[in-house]
Amino acid sequence: QVQLQESGPGLVKPSETLSLTCTVSGGSISSFYWSWIRQPPGKGLEWIGYIYYSGNTNSNPSLKSRVTIAVDTSKNQVSLNLISMTAADTAVYYCARGLGFDAFDIWGQGTMVTVSS
Amino acid sequence: SSELTQDPAVSVALGQTVRITCQGDTLRTYYASWYQQSPGQAPLLVIYGKNNRPSGIPDRFSGSRSGNTASLTITGAQADDEADYYCNSRDSSANHLVFGGGTKLTVL
Repeated sequence: QVQLQESGPGLVKPSETLSLTCTVSGGSISSFYWSWIRQPPGKGLEWIGYIYYSGNTNSNPSLKSRVTIAVDTSKNQVSLNLISMTAADTAVYYCARGLGFDAFDIWGQGTMVTVSS
Repeated sequence: SSELTQDPAVSVALGQTVRITCQGDTLRTYYASWYQQSPGQAPLLVIYGKNNRPSGIPDRFSGSRSGNTASLTITGAQADDEADYYCNSRDSSANHLVFGGGTKLTVL
């Protein structure tokens, strides 16, 4: 079955850029939306943005100027770059497959990212 | 603040029925999806669309909508239904997605 695995640094310094990769196994990246979602410790879920396999992207207006999402179909990977990190960006970051545009049917296990000097 | 509003906490007696709600103007047009999240786990999709359950989700979970309110109903709540539940749908622009603040369900 399709599985998602996030990878990246667990610790990022303030003002630096976070780079995460989501590797899709057991299925193709094609014909789906792929989203990044985060969850600060003890808080709720926040949608960061999505990319369609063809490359079309959209992101949360509150993060839009800081977010870049890309897809590499040859590697079956989706990536997230988030610039100018602050402590408020400390969270578990999930990648998730879109069931259509609105729902997320498969999630990765998440990766904890802490912003600290 | 989220455009989707959920009650922070709800409780239900074991075996009874509970309804978890999600309010927002965009729900008059778009369906909500519902996710169950147990501590330390990734969210799990339990309801999407009008009232669709992914494979493996028990039929005690159902979804509905009335006006600006979407509801997740658990009929015959079990102990392992105790979790946080989140709704999501589109925002007022219809181009972005938003989550409700989440509801902590306690099964007594």
